[in-house]
Amino acid sequence: GEDVEQSLFLSVREGDSSVINCTYTDSSSTYLYWYKQEPGAGLQLLTYIFSNMDMKQDQRLTVLLNKKDKHLSLRIADTQTGDSAIYFCAEYAGNNRKLIWGLGTSLAVNP
Amino acid sequence: DTGVSQDPRHKITKRGQNVTFRCDPISEHNRLYWYRQTLGQGPEFLTYFQNEAQLEKSRLLSDRFSAERPKGSFSTLEIQRTEQGDSAMYLCASSGGLGGGPYNEQFFGPGTRLTVL
Repeated sequence: GEDVEQSLFLSVREGDSSVINCTYTDSSSTYLYWYKQEPGAGLQLLTYIFSNMDMKQDQRLTVLLNKKDKHLSLRIADTQTGDSAIYFCAEYAGNNRKLIWGLGTSLAVNP
Repeated sequence: DTGVSQDPRHKITKRGQNVTFRCDPISEHNRLYWYRQTLGQGPEFLTYFQNEAQLEKSRLLSDRFSAERPKGSFSTLEIQRTEQGDSAMYLCASSGGLGGGPYNEQFFGPGTRLTVL
């Protein structure tokens, strides 16, 4: 079956790195995404990784994919208070063209 | 085009009433999705359209729910005989092209928050 799991909460100090983890079950997933949701705002795509990649870096964001273990992580370097939000991991299984979502990790950044 | 828009942003209704929400996708996008999100949960897929064709419906979408996209542009989601359990944020997303781009990015609207009293 399809399932995406994430830890629910993460608290870090401003300037530290944050690492948000996600596991998924569908080995046919083609793309894996990280979305950010701020209070009262819509979901915003942060970054994505294609399933044949191991790592992707985009400014302060680093995505690591371990396809064997079906484990995805998002590292935010030099975390800022503006990074406080809920971060959702989602997998795209192309055969049914929908995103399967985790419950979201609530990141709190303390000054 | 400023992105995906949804109307209304908030809706309060009494149990048993019907409600209808509208989504206007990004104009060149041919795929449109409806999701439902409750507090502390990730979005749950409800249904998706490619152009005007409704290609998939989740089991979550009971027969009280109906979605349409008559001309392949905007879409409506109607809930009949609302129940308190229908209270949630209803999210619309769109994505573009037959292949949806290299990463099939779904662009989300701000959502319609439904409260059923």
